[in-house]
Amino acid sequence: DTGVSQDPRHKITKRGQNVTFRCDPISEHNRLYWYRQTLGQGPEFLTYFQNEAQLEKSRLLSDRFSAERPKGSFSTLEIQRTEQGDSAMYLCASSLGQSLASPLHFGNGTRLTVT
Amino acid sequence: DQQVKQNSPSLSVQEGRISILNCDYTNSMFDYFLWYKKYPAEGPTFLISISSIKDKNEDGRFTVFLNKSAKHLSLHIVPSQPGDSAVYFCAATSTSGTYKYIFGTGTRLKVLA
Repeated sequence: DTGVSQDPRHKITKRGQNVTFRCDPISEHNRLYWYRQTLGQGPEFLTYFQNEAQLEKSRLLSDRFSAERPKGSFSTLEIQRTEQGDSAMYLCASSLGQSLASPLHFGNGTRLTVT
Repeated sequence: DQQVKQNSPSLSVQEGRISILNCDYTNSMFDYFLWYKKYPAEGPTFLISISSIKDKNEDGRFTVFLNKSAKHLSLHIVPSQPGDSAVYFCAATSTSGTYKYIFGTGTRLKVLA
C-alpha cells in the first residue's frame, strides 16, 4: 500500500525551537496539500502545491511557516520559532489533479506539541 | 468565515438504523463535495463524493444527497454498524477555482450495539 506517508508521527519541542515535517505523497499525485487540525475543529487549509509550484498559501499562515516541494515529489513543512499555539495535528494530503476534482488522500499526520 | 458548516457536533444511532449527517455551505462557487471519516490518531479517510451536476450518489451503504438551492448536503448510512462510529467531515471545493478544499468542523457519530 503506497499511501501518503508522514514523518515523524509525533514531535515534542520547546517553545522557540524550529521543527520540520516531511510528507511523501502517493506516487504520481501531482497535487500536495498541508492542513492543520486542532481539537474539535476540521482540517484547516495551510498551503498546496501542484508539482513543485506552491499555488496558494493561507492568509492565516504566519511568516514562521514555510513549505517546499523541491522536485514535485515529497514536501517539507517547517515552523520556525515555535509557539504553544502551534500545537496541533499537521496533515498532508495528495490528489491526482485533473480537470475534474478528485478526492484528497490523507496521511496519518504529525502531532506537534510545543511546551 | 466558516464556509462549510456541520451544526450537529454529535449523533447517536442504534445499530441497523439509518444515520443522517448534515452539512451546509455558503459559497455558491462550490461544485464538488466530499465526505470523510476519521478515527482517532488517523488521518481522514475519503468515503464518497458528489459533483454539483448530480443530486445523489451511492456507494454501498453510503449515499450522499445534494440540494443546491438550499446549499445543503447530507450523508446517509444504512444500515449503521458499530464500526461506523467515528468523526465525519464534509468538505467542498470549487473546480473552477484554486482546488482548495474547505472542511466542516465534523460530527461525531456513535452507533450503539
